[in-house]
Amino acid sequence: GAVVSQHPSRVICKSGTSVKIECRSLDFQATTMFWYRQFPKQSLMLMATSNEGSKATYEQGVEKDKFLINHASLTLSTLTVTSAHPEDSSFYICSARDPDSYFADTQYFGPGTRLTVL
Amino acid sequence: GNSVTQMEGPVTLSEEAFLTINCTYTATGYPSLFWYVQYPGEGLQLLLKATKADDKGSNKGFEATYRKETTSFHLEKGSVQVSDSAVYFCALNTNAGKSTFGDGTTLTVKP
Repeated sequence: GAVVSQHPSRVICKSGTSVKIECRSLDFQATTMFWYRQFPKQSLMLMATSNEGSKATYEQGVEKDKFLINHASLTLSTLTVTSAHPEDSSFYICSARDPDSYFADTQYFGPGTRLTVL
Repeated sequence: GNSVTQMEGPVTLSEEAFLTINCTYTATGYPSLFWYVQYPGEGLQLLLKATKADDKGSNKGFEATYRKETTSFHLEKGSVQVSDSAVYFCALNTNAGKSTFGDGTTLTVKP
């Protein structure tokens, strides 16, 4: 099946610094990737939809200047948390769809990135 | 708007017990329905899916049938194992490609 990777798996940073998280589709080209945030024991909250070659579409209430998304190629999307604060600590998960797959509506999820801001 | 309602957890079962996790949905159009499983500290894995009414998705002993008349997609397994302990998410996709997730149900299976 399709594989999506994320890097890093865990990151600890100081308040005020920026952190970049990478999401890669390893064996397919993904024109669309999704970024989610998950709080402990809660469901996934969609933050934004990342479209290759165009600006990301952010969900209501998500600050686009704080969570910068870049989808520069068909296999890579990045999420940069700028000027991170402790309240940004969370589990960030990306997913991607394989448009050429028979199961084109299926999302394949990365393993997640645990961000801790001190 | 679209929504997914899952049975509240946590659910605790003994090994080899029968499992049912209820899921109902509200959506416009004809969504695809999914069950995902999340093990501790990991991302979500697709467990099974169904794309149209009366379809049955199945995988690893788990089953769910797309019931349009009751707008449900209940997850079942005849005999659970300790290794099935995880969080299970019901979700739907619309033509727009976005997914709507339920709140997740934590399953703990005791030996």
